[in-house]
Amino acid sequence: DIQMTQSPSSLSVSVGDRVTITCQASQDISNYLNWYQQKPGKAPKLLIYDASNLQTGVPARFSGSGSGTDFTLTISSLQPEDIAVYYCQQYDSLPPFIFGPGTRLELK
Amino acid sequence: EVHLVESGGGLVKPGGSLRLSCAASGFPFSSFSMNWIRQAPGKGLEWVSSIGRDNTYISHADSFKGRFTISRDDAKNSLYLQMDSLRAEDTAVYYCVRDYRGTFDNWGQGTLVAVSS
Repeated sequence: DIQMTQSPSSLSVSVGDRVTITCQASQDISNYLNWYQQKPGKAPKLLIYDASNLQTGVPARFSGSGSGTDFTLTISSLQPEDIAVYYCQQYDSLPPFIFGPGTRLELK
Repeated sequence: EVHLVESGGGLVKPGGSLRLSCAASGFPFSSFSMNWIRQAPGKGLEWVSSIGRDNTYISHADSFKGRFTISRDDAKNSLYLQMDSLRAEDTAVYYCVRDYRGTFDNWGQGTLVAVSS
């Protein structure tokens, strides 16, 4: 099975920071990679699909890039409401579906 | 607007069973694959089971094969998860999730399952 890793596991950030989270797949997954945001006590929310496409309604400060095995989620200027845990997820048209372990953002 | 509302969670003893339900509205339920995804307290997301539209496929993560069964009733716009032989490590919030080609675009609020004696 494909394995997903994320780094860092946690990050201490300040409002206005440019934030970069990476996700790595154990084998080539083309652009079959999604990013989710989960705030405390809430269900996850789809941010980016197919590695680089912004989901409707997601602020433009979020962006995604990468293909193959290495992917990046970038927040261009962190806002207080962006404090959350971020997960990557690889997919194919059929299961199994694998999530990364998550990256927790914390305010300094 | 898409709505997914889970129910059926609660406290159950080890070895017991529970059936989760998910009521869907706001979209053509029969046209979408559906999933259960869970999250243990303080842990990450774990895909549990998927069912394709028209029951074209059913898939469970290896950890749950033989214990969990996913099903759907398109006439009732409902998704189900039958969970048997429950263990303490099955304690988690279980989410009902719509997917489009493997992308989880809509999530319910979750239902908590606690397995304890």
